[in-house]
Amino acid sequence: NAGVTQTPKFQVLKTGQSMTLQCAQDMNHNSMYWYRQDPGMGLRLIYYSASEGTTDKGEVPNGYNVSRLNKREFSLRLESAAPSQTSVYFCASSEGTATRAFFGQGTRLTVV
Amino acid sequence: GENVEQHPSTLSVQEGDSAVIKCTYSDSASNYFPWYKQELGKRPQLIIDIRSNVGEKKDQRIAVTLNKTAKHFSLHITETQPEDSAVYFCAASKGNNRLAFGKGNQVVVIP
Repeated sequence: NAGVTQTPKFQVLKTGQSMTLQCAQDMNHNSMYWYRQDPGMGLRLIYYSASEGTTDKGEVPNGYNVSRLNKREFSLRLESAAPSQTSVYFCASSEGTATRAFFGQGTRLTVV
Repeated sequence: GENVEQHPSTLSVQEGDSAVIKCTYSDSASNYFPWYKQELGKRPQLIIDIRSNVGEKKDQRIAVTLNKTAKHFSLHITETQPEDSAVYFCAASKGNNRLAFGKGNQVVVIP
């Protein structure tokens, strides 16, 4: 059972470069999320998609865009990477309203 | 929006003792409260959750208690083992799908 799969696992970018983080889930979940995790800051929500066809901003959306490609896939794009975006990024999915969320393995991104 | 706080930030316990982590939340409409365990370099994993219509839930050595009046919920780990050493995150949400996480508690079990 794959669950939530993220790619890539590690990435180094130069300031100003762009990239897309991919996330796919095979649990037929309606809702998907992108979080970033920084030391001492917990998990902060960047964007989420409550259902296919909808996306909404979370706590820290600036500098990011998302696409809910279909029910399975939710991508996160950095158009012009900045050192402040160095972080570990987690994708998660859940069946629906206020239900159990399952996380991907994370992407460690370094922007130099 | 919802604000979730965890105390203490770091907790050290002797192996075999109990550990208790408390979370407070701000939105009285929150109705779902999960706890996640994150080992170093790994993803957060759900270990137990509780809904607002239940006061306590147990699963082997772990339990969660909820006090809606005081707006806090706690994770209890009994007979701690070295593999319980990790960062534990609490979260709270209501009907809009947005889980708000606390900043995490580091639990260290001393053999």
